[in-house]
Amino acid sequence: EAQVTQNPRYLITVTGKKLTVTCSQNMNHEYMSWYRQDPGLGLRQIYYSMNVEVTDKGDVPEGYKVSRKEKRNFPLILESPSPNQTSLYFCASSLTATDTQYFGPGTRLTVL
Amino acid sequence: DAKTTQPPSMDCAEGRAANLPCNHSTISGNEYVYWYRQIHSQGPQYIIHGLKNNETNEMASLIITEDRKSSTLILPHATLRDTAVYYCIVRATGGTSYGKLTFGQGTILTVHP
Repeated sequence: EAQVTQNPRYLITVTGKKLTVTCSQNMNHEYMSWYRQDPGLGLRQIYYSMNVEVTDKGDVPEGYKVSRKEKRNFPLILESPSPNQTSLYFCASSLTATDTQYFGPGTRLTVL
Repeated sequence: DAKTTQPPSMDCAEGRAANLPCNHSTISGNEYVYWYRQIHSQGPQYIIHGLKNNETNEMASLIITEDRKSSTLILPHATLRDTAVYYCIVRATGGTSYGKLTFGQGTILTVHP
């Protein structure tokens, strides 16, 4: 089944403890992206990747890192999480940047 | 990307057609109209998109006015499972932000028994 998967789905952590949220797609998509969703602010793009080894900042990149070492995976890294990064995170992918994007199920992160 | 305006909420009776409007009066020639929905806090689900012609798929129909300044998403026979937030998004096909989807507040559609 064609899908975007994220792990973990739920995570509670403490300030400063490094964490990684994984994202994987099995559709051979070139374009991948991370969004965060907060009440009243909608979904905002954090980082995106046009292809392997090509990443760029979205609208709210501060406090986040990404890597794209292989086409199927696009992990989101929080080196030193803070409470303001408590949010619902979605990974998305598309064949190219101009094609329809498909979203993962989401990761709910709480930073205490 | 052009800005979109949607009503904050709408109701629909189960089995009836749900018509969700969207205004995008500043849309430009290379911008597509996309519709997504989000059920509770699940990942946004793609529904349909179009440039200027009307489109139909197994989920819905998209009617775009001739001047392209507004559109309507039609769910022909709404069910309780169609209760969700529906987002109308205008998206460029080129430029520096052409990969990004800009989600507004959307329309909360509630389907009643």
